[in-house]
Amino acid sequence: GQQVQQSPASLVLQEGENAELQCNFSSTATQLQWFYQSPGGSLVSLLSNPSGTKHTGRLTSTTVTKERRSSLHISSSQTTDSGTYLCAAYQGGRALIFGTGTTVSVSP
Amino acid sequence: GPKVLQIPSHQIIDMGQMVTLNCDPVSNHLYFYWYKQILGQQMEFLVNFYNGKVMEKSKLFKDQFSVERPDGSYFTLKIQPTALEDSAVYFCASSWDWGGYEQYFGPGTRLTVL
Repeated sequence: GQQVQQSPASLVLQEGENAELQCNFSSTATQLQWFYQSPGGSLVSLLSNPSGTKHTGRLTSTTVTKERRSSLHISSSQTTDSGTYLCAAYQGGRALIFGTGTTVSVSP
Repeated sequence: GPKVLQIPSHQIIDMGQMVTLNCDPVSNHLYFYWYKQILGQQMEFLVNFYNGKVMEKSKLFKDQFSVERPDGSYFTLKIQPTALEDSAVYFCASSWDWGGYEQYFGPGTRLTVL
């Protein structure tokens, strides 16, 4: 079945720095979503990006489907960006399989 | 954007009791999902549901679990009886279709089984 791996496991940034988060998945995915999970546990969908490049605010996701990888670029990080970023890919089109996440900590 | 609501946000119950978690999906969505996240651990798929039927379930979806959506009302996850290991945050999601369609997630219900 689908496996999703994320790297790095954690990242420490100074405010204003950029960050690149990686997601690799084992099987061709028809859907790839990036989520932000706050330290309190709430989940926010950031981007749905099964292929190509998408932008929203300071976030850019690039997914190369045939290489089974996706990246999330955070530009000009802010302290409010601290939390865990989750990547999830479809398995067989019916369930999202989540990675273990990248924990980002942004200090002022 | 479209919103999925979950009621309640927190639930504390004694082991062995029954609990029902409620989800109000996006209004025109047809596919519904439950995911489970134990504190500090990975989010895991439980079950998906379409046209009144469970389409797929994981090994985490024990016999004590059931789902339904009677007459277009809440999509529910019922656990009867509950066990200590059921303590987790349960997230509901919905989508317009399978495959390449985005899933919209609710804020989660934190279930504590004592």
